Amino acid sequence: GIQVEQSPPDLILQEGANSTLRCNFSDSVNNLQWFHQNPWGQLINLFYIPSGTKQNGRLSATTVATERYSLLYISSSQTTDSGVYFCAVSQGGTASKLTFGTGTRLQVTL
Amino acid sequence: SAVISQKPSRDICQRGTSLTIQCQVDSQVTMMFWYRQQPGQSLTLIATANQGSEATYESGFVIDKFPISRPNLTFSTLTVSNMSPEDSSIYLCSAATNEKLFFGSGTQLSVL
Repeated sequence: GIQVEQSPPDLILQEGANSTLRCNFSDSVNNLQWFHQNPWGQLINLFYIPSGTKQNGRLSATTVATERYSLLYISSSQTTDSGVYFCAVSQGGTASKLTFGTGTRLQVTL
Repeated sequence: SAVISQKPSRDICQRGTSLTIQCQVDSQVTMMFWYRQQPGQSLTLIATANQGSEATYESGFVIDKFPISRPNLTFSTLTVSNMSPEDSSIYLCSAATNEKLFFGSGTQLSVL
């Protein structure tokens, strides 16, 4: 099956700093999503981004499907950004059979 | 988007017993999914539950262990049967609207 690797595995930032999270996948995909799992375990869908660039407030994401990677940018980080960030991919166009990546654990400190 | 209610939020169970987790979506959805997240790990898909048909299980998961019901387009249940301590995990219900996936708050299961 498809392999999804995320880097870095762990990241500690001071509040206000910027960061880039990376997601590499081993085969072509038609569906790619980014999620944030907060410290209480709730998963929030951040982006559906099989290709191109999207922005939502302080977050933006870029997927280069031909090179099999996606990037999540967090600007001016806040303590509420802490948690685990997952990318998930599938080779169908729908959200079925999403394979989740290894995750990046982010801690934002004051 | 979809708002998903899942219960119970947590439970402690004895080995050999079964637990049924309920998942309610605030709108009709075609596809619902059940995931497992072991402590400190990523998410693994257990099965896809489509209304009107049997659930489709991923490799390593079987119907006898994880029976699933999907009686209508807004509701699903997952049962964890004959539990052992290895079943201690977070179980997550999810639903797809268009291409996006949304999650319930999860059920944290501990098996003693």
